[in-house]
Amino acid sequence: EDQVTQSPEALRLQEGESSSLNCSYTVSGLRGLFWYRQDPGKGPEFLFTLYSAGEEKEKERLKATLTKKESFLHITAPKPEDSATYLCAVQPVGGGTSYGKLTFGQGTILTVHP
Amino acid sequence: DGGITQSPKYLFRKEGQNVTLSCEQNLNHDAMYWYRQDPGQGLRLIYYSQIVNDFQKGDIAEGYSVSREKKESFPLTVTSAQKNPTAFYLCASSIADYNEQFFGPGTRLTVL
Repeated sequence: EDQVTQSPEALRLQEGESSSLNCSYTVSGLRGLFWYRQDPGKGPEFLFTLYSAGEEKEKERLKATLTKKESFLHITAPKPEDSATYLCAVQPVGGGTSYGKLTFGQGTILTVHP
Repeated sequence: DGGITQSPKYLFRKEGQNVTLSCEQNLNHDAMYWYRQDPGQGLRLIYYSQIVNDFQKGDIAEGYSVSREKKESFPLTVTSAQKNPTAFYLCASSIADYNEQFFGPGTRLTVL
C-alpha cells in the first residue's frame, strides 16, 4: 500500500527565515510526486510535479527536490502570503484501476509571521 | 476562463436525506475525481472517472454514487447510507489519468 508522511505537521517561521518541509513516501513504483498549496476553505492549488530522483523545480520562493525516498519543499525568505497548508501526493506506475490514483499526505501547516 | 466549478459552496443535510454535489469543468479534461477531506487527514479518493460513461470506486466509495454522462460534468451523490458525511468535498480533473490534477473550490457538507 502506498504511504505518504509529511513533517512537520505545523511550522511557524518569521518572515525571511528559510526552511524546508519534508515528504517521505513508500510506493511500489513512482510515476510522479506532486506538491500542492491549500489555503483555508479552498481547493488545493497545483505547484510542482517531480518524476525522478535528482529532479528539482522552482517557483518564486519555492523549490522542490526529489530523492528515492522523500521530497523536500524548500522555502527561501518566506513572506506572510506563503502561509498555507502544503500537500504532497504520490502517483504509482502501473495500470488497471489504480492507474492515476494519488495518495496524499496529511499536509504541513505553514505560518509565516511578519 | 477555464476552470473547475463546484456548487453549492455550503450544503446542509438532514439525516436520511440524499444530496448531490455538482462538479463542472471546461478544461476539456478526460479524467475527473472526487475526494473527501477531513481535519488532520489527507485527501481520500471517493470515485474517479477516466472517460465518459465509465467510473471506478476509490478507497472510500461506500455510501456515495456518481455518474459521468458528459465529459464536463461529474456529480457526486451522498446517500443516506454514508454514516459520517460531514466533510469538505473536492472535485478535481486532469488531462488524462496520469497527469497533474487540478482542483475545484470545494463544497462543505454538514449533516444536521
